[in-house]
Amino acid sequence: DAGVIQSPRHEVTEMGQEVTLRCKPISGHNSLFWYRQTMMRGLELLIYFNNNVPIDDSGMPEDRFSAKMPNASFSTLKIQPSEPRDSAVYFCASSFWAGTGELFFGEGSRLTVL
Amino acid sequence: AQTVTQSQPEMSVQEAETVTLSCTYDTSESDYYLFWYKQPPSRQMILVIRQEAYKQQNATENRFSVNFQKAAKSFSLKISDSQLGDAAMYFCASPTSGTYKYIFGTGTRLKVLA
Repeated sequence: DAGVIQSPRHEVTEMGQEVTLRCKPISGHNSLFWYRQTMMRGLELLIYFNNNVPIDDSGMPEDRFSAKMPNASFSTLKIQPSEPRDSAVYFCASSFWAGTGELFFGEGSRLTVL
Repeated sequence: AQTVTQSQPEMSVQEAETVTLSCTYDTSESDYYLFWYKQPPSRQMILVIRQEAYKQQNATENRFSVNFQKAAKSFSLKISDSQLGDAAMYFCASPTSGTYKYIFGTGTRLKVLA
């Protein structure tokens, strides 16, 4: 049974470039979360979706960040333009809203912006 | 803002001994779940144990158990018979304003000494 799949696992880019992170949640899950992890700020919730609809994006740091979920099996997190302070590990997690609420995490995408 | 506090940035335990990691949280919800996640160096977030707030009985999973004090909003994790493979970052997670919007503590790094 496949878990949450994220790509790429590693991304190195230059300041000003556009970055797109991708996530495929577990089939049957109806909630999807994007987290960012840094040493300084720990795990921060950026945005979450329920049934493909964004519920809360209050954690998105700036307008440079955007997230979409066009269907139940795919989500993207885009940063445009990227800055060095965006360097972090970005996790996608999914869950079944009416269940136990357990989050199933992907392996994360490590982003380095030079 | 609702918070999750892990007051121990780092803990050490001798192999085969018992260690307790502390966590306090703040939520206005009355019925919710609490989680402990483990993050080894591979950075994969792995669920360790889950506690249902409406259950008075503390959850146990093999060598892992919790001490859940709902009134005090305390949720500590006890690891018995510690093993080298238990070395990791441990994160406590609690819901905020929405039942399934979880925030995480800053983590406790557990070292297991041979």
